[in-house]
Amino acid sequence: GAVVSQHPSWVICKSGTSVKIECRSLDFQATTMFWYRQFPKQSLMLMATSNEGSKATYEQGVEKDKFLINHASLTLSTLTVTSAHPEDSSFYICSASGTGRSPLHFGNGTRLTVT
Amino acid sequence: QKEVEQNSGPLSVPEGAIASLNCTYSDRGSQSFFWYRQYSGKSPELIMSIYSNGDKEDGRFTAQLNKASQYVSLLIRDSQPSDSATYLCAPGQNFVFGPGTRLSVLP
Repeated sequence: GAVVSQHPSWVICKSGTSVKIECRSLDFQATTMFWYRQFPKQSLMLMATSNEGSKATYEQGVEKDKFLINHASLTLSTLTVTSAHPEDSSFYICSASGTGRSPLHFGNGTRLTVT
Repeated sequence: QKEVEQNSGPLSVPEGAIASLNCTYSDRGSQSFFWYRQYSGKSPELIMSIYSNGDKEDGRFTAQLNKASQYVSLLIRDSQPSDSATYLCAPGQNFVFGPGTRLSVLP
């Protein structure tokens, strides 16, 4: 089946620093990638949608200058959390979709802790 | 109207019973439907896809689709404690998830 690799699986950083999370589709071309955030006991919250070679589309309330998304190729998207603060501590999950009627394939997620 | 409606649960069933998870959707044009399972603290994983009206079986899982009623369900036979998770229904190219249905299988 389709595999999405997400790294790192966990990261601890200091407040004010930036963190980059990578999401790769290993065996298929992902026309669209999605970034989610999930706080404990809450639903997945879609942050942004990105298509290869174009700017990401951010959901309402998500700061695009804080959460930088780059989708440089059909197999790689990155999310950079800039100037991280403790309230950014969360579980970040990427997913990728092929074309048409394809389901989403999720990475294993990145648990971010900002101290 | 939300795109997807699911009973958020928790749905509790005894081990060995059939768990029935239901989902209604609003987009009549949806052609594909997916069920994802999310264990606590983990990311979701795809467990079933269904594209045509009727039933689709995969091991202990059966997905049922009724496009006329805009209804899709997931049956889990011989439920096991390891099936305890949140189940997310997603029609078509739906990327926004609701809370899903939390299933608890009691030993």
